[in-house]
Amino acid sequence: QKEVEQNSGPLSVPEGAIASLNCTYSDRGSQSFFWYRQYSGKSPELIMFIYSNGDKEDGRFTAQLNKASQYVSLLIRDSQPSDSATYLCAASSSNQFYFGTGTSLTVIP
Amino acid sequence: DTEVTQTPKHLVMGMTNKKSLKCEQHMGHRAMYWYKQKAKKPPELMFVYSYEKLSINESVPSRFSPECPNSSLLNLHLHALQPEDSALYLCASSPIGDLFHEQYFGPGTRLTVT
Repeated sequence: QKEVEQNSGPLSVPEGAIASLNCTYSDRGSQSFFWYRQYSGKSPELIMFIYSNGDKEDGRFTAQLNKASQYVSLLIRDSQPSDSATYLCAASSSNQFYFGTGTSLTVIP
Repeated sequence: DTEVTQTPKHLVMGMTNKKSLKCEQHMGHRAMYWYKQKAKKPPELMFVYSYEKLSINESVPSRFSPECPNSSLLNLHLHALQPEDSALYLCASSPIGDLFHEQYFGPGTRLTVT
């Protein structure tokens, strides 16, 4: 069983729309959750982290965590073509760290 | 300076060669990481150093040997690799405190084993 699961996509949204990316995790000991963006041929870049249940907003990005459902999501408002990338969900406990398989997002101008 | 640098950018080596990958950061981070990423797959954690001491080894084969000579440098020594070890090798660093939090990744070394 994969520790962190994501829908691989591809997910396509029109420019200006809301992109919704989802992630589930299996280890209830996971305490911290991260969203990384990876452009093709580049290294991952941290865009959001969340520790507590609920929502966390940073600019156009909102991360949502539901520990009871073991579910993490990322909303991208007013999507731009420059948001086109692979989005990696990650979960960590005290001594483990797992990336999900990533969701490919394409924002269509 | 919020940059993690990695050298070389590309490396081609034979199965009998010995080579090293280098990673450097000057952000004062005391946790450093090596990851391996195959095409269209997520990065896989290999090693974690905390305060220059190896704290996590994710059952990596001994042909990969990490070294942390000081708080700014992280090396990965390679010996007798197999073609399936060809991948992008990523280094990352993070402030100490919560391990794995706020990792900054370097651009990676693209390794090809022939």
